[in-house]
Amino acid sequence: EVQLVESGGGLVKPGGSLRLSCAASGFTFSSYSMNWVRQAPGKGLEWVSSISGSSIYIYYADSVKGRFTISRDNARNSLYLQMNSLRAEDSAVYYCARWGSSMYSFDIWGQGAMVTVSS
Amino acid sequence: QSALTQPRSVSGSPGQSVTISCTGTSNDVGGYNYVSWYQHHPGKAPQVMIYDVSKRPSGVPGRFSGSQSGNTASLTISGLQAEDEADYYCCAYSGSFKVFGGGTKLTVL
Repeated sequence: EVQLVESGGGLVKPGGSLRLSCAASGFTFSSYSMNWVRQAPGKGLEWVSSISGSSIYIYYADSVKGRFTISRDNARNSLYLQMNSLRAEDSAVYYCARWGSSMYSFDIWGQGAMVTVSS
Repeated sequence: QSALTQPRSVSGSPGQSVTISCTGTSNDVGGYNYVSWYQHHPGKAPQVMIYDVSKRPSGVPGRFSGSQSGNTASLTISGLQAEDEADYYCCAYSGSFKVFGGGTKLTVL
């Protein structure tokens, strides 16, 4: 079964750091671009970052550029998001999502990891 | 990277049709034929309903259809059913970036 499972969410103080992980299974992980998408409480979906299969191409939304770092370990079938200098507005459910290779869309999503930034 | 514009809410009775619009610019919606639509039930993972403007993934009912004219894409749901009540988001691929719409809450009356 194709599956994405996020972990690492939690409560962190403003200015703090947190690292999210996403474990992939059921498909050839290295063949796919992977993304992080978030949803703040009461808000819509927001694309955060993407990374190509070989990690050559990496992109960030302006809202997180310079503070968040996306990475992957194809040997471990894992995607990561290192979040530094966290702000209250970064509080959200963070989803790991696969970008389809033959369909330009997020075709597989995880269940999400909650991140709360509060003092 | 400005969010695409969607109506905040739409509604319809069972059996009726509704259309949700998604307006962007020539740099996103109008520049690429890569608009996708997602159904999101609260507490669950989003699910892709339409990709590449008008294509349906396997398993998505034929009641869901997509189209595009210029900088505006649309999702039409015909023969509304109670289980269609959810939030719907459009998303445009613009080369390096992806941008979502603000989301539309569909209420089935």
